[in-house]
Amino acid sequence: EIVMTQSPATLSVSPGERATLSCRASQSVSSNLAWYQQKPGQAPRLLIYGASTRATPIPARFSGGGSGTEFTLTISSLQSEDFAVYYCQQYNKWPRTFGQGTKVEIK
Amino acid sequence: EVRLVQSGAEVKKPGESLRISCKTSGYTFTNFWIGWVRQMPGTGLEWMGIIYPGDSDTRYSPSFQGQVTVSADKSIGTAYLQWSRLKASDTAMYYCARFGEWLPSDSWGQGTLVTVSS
Repeated sequence: EIVMTQSPATLSVSPGERATLSCRASQSVSSNLAWYQQKPGQAPRLLIYGASTRATPIPARFSGGGSGTEFTLTISSLQSEDFAVYYCQQYNKWPRTFGQGTKVEIK
Repeated sequence: EVRLVQSGAEVKKPGESLRISCKTSGYTFTNFWIGWVRQMPGTGLEWMGIIYPGDSDTRYSPSFQGQVTVSADKSIGTAYLQWSRLKASDTAMYYCARFGEWLPSDSWGQGTLVTVSS
């Protein structure tokens, strides 16, 4: 099973600032990496797939990068609605596995 | 519009059986994988099992193999997750989600909260 490790566990950011989240895979997942956003009481929402392709209708302030084992999610200018928990997930091999999540909180 | 609508919250006792459902619409049910994700209170997301309704190919995560059963009824576009004997540790939110081959899950159900308590 591929282990996904996210860092940091919590990121404190002021509105309007940039946030960079990291995700590492225990073995290569090629570009089969997705990012999800989850708010309290809601199902996860797909943000990024293929490591860098934004899902519809995700705003352009969200961007993804990386391949192989190292990936990043960048939120260029945090808006109030972006404070949430973010998960990476590999879909290169079954079982699909998630990272443990990064909570982005208001500083 | 793709929709996945899950059955309502359940409160059960340890040892009881349970089946929860995920009713789909807005897409061809037999052309996508559909499966179940567990989220225990205050924790992250775990894939449990998946099924391809087109040919009933079913796969389980090793942690859940033998613990649950995933099934689907393609005549009504509905997927199921079943337990034969619930444990307190099965208390969690369960989400269904669909995905295409070599794609992530783009549509999710609203979640079903299962509480197991004596």
